[in-house]
Amino acid sequence: DQQVKQNSPSLSVQEGRISILNCDYTNSMFDYFLWYKKYPAEGPTFLISISSIKDKNEDGRFTVFLNKSAKHLSLHIVPSQPGDSAVYFCAASEGPKAAGNKLTFGGGTRVLVKP
Amino acid sequence: NAGVTQTPKFRILKIGQSMTLQCTQDMNHNYMYWYRQDPGMGLKLIYYSVGAGITDKGEVPNGYNVSRSTTEDFPLRLELAAPSQTSVYFCASSYPETNEKLFFGSGTQLSVL
Repeated sequence: DQQVKQNSPSLSVQEGRISILNCDYTNSMFDYFLWYKKYPAEGPTFLISISSIKDKNEDGRFTVFLNKSAKHLSLHIVPSQPGDSAVYFCAASEGPKAAGNKLTFGGGTRVLVKP
Repeated sequence: NAGVTQTPKFRILKIGQSMTLQCTQDMNHNYMYWYRQDPGMGLKLIYYSVGAGITDKGEVPNGYNVSRSTTEDFPLRLELAAPSQTSVYFCASSYPETNEKLFFGSGTQLSVL
C-alpha cells in the first residue's frame, strides 16, 4: 500500500521550458513534504520542502505547491536546465508528532532535460 | 566535512552468506536511518535510530539487524543473505530539529546470487 505515489515514472522536457512533477499521498497525518533529487551512483540530496500550513514554497527556480484537500503536491522547475536531469523523489512525514522524523518516499520521476 | 560515509560501495554475496554494511557520519546527528531502494521503486525504511543505544524497526526490517553503540556509527547486518535483499542501500542522518531534512550517503549496491 503506497502512501506516497508519483504516477509519472519519467518526464522529458526541452531546456528552458517548465518541468512539472506530481505527487499524491493518502495518509492524512502527513504534515511535512519534501522533494529530493538523485543523480546516478549518488545518494538523494534535499531540494525543497513545504509545511502543511502553506500552499506554496519557492526557492530560486524551484517551487513546490501543496493542495491539502486533494492530497496532492507538485514541483515546478523553471527554467529547466540540462543539469536538472536526475530522478526526483517526493517524500512525506507526519512531522514532530512521529518519532524519528521518518520519511515515506514515492517511487521517483526520472527527468531528462534536452539541450 | 565528509558527511555520511558508507562502505563498501559494491558487494556480491552468495545466498546464505552474511555481511555488515558500514555507515558513519561526522555531523553529530542524533537520528540515523537505513533505507533500501529496489529498481524503479522508492526508498523503503529498514531501521532507524534516534540516538546511541536506541533502534527501532521501519517498514521492511525482516532479514536485517542494526546496532547504535555510538552517535557516529550505524551498521546494518544481513545474517542470511537472500536474493530478495538485492538492492541499493542508503544510510542517512539528521538533526531532530531540521524538519525531516535527511543527509544521505552515496549508497551500497548489493547483489545476492
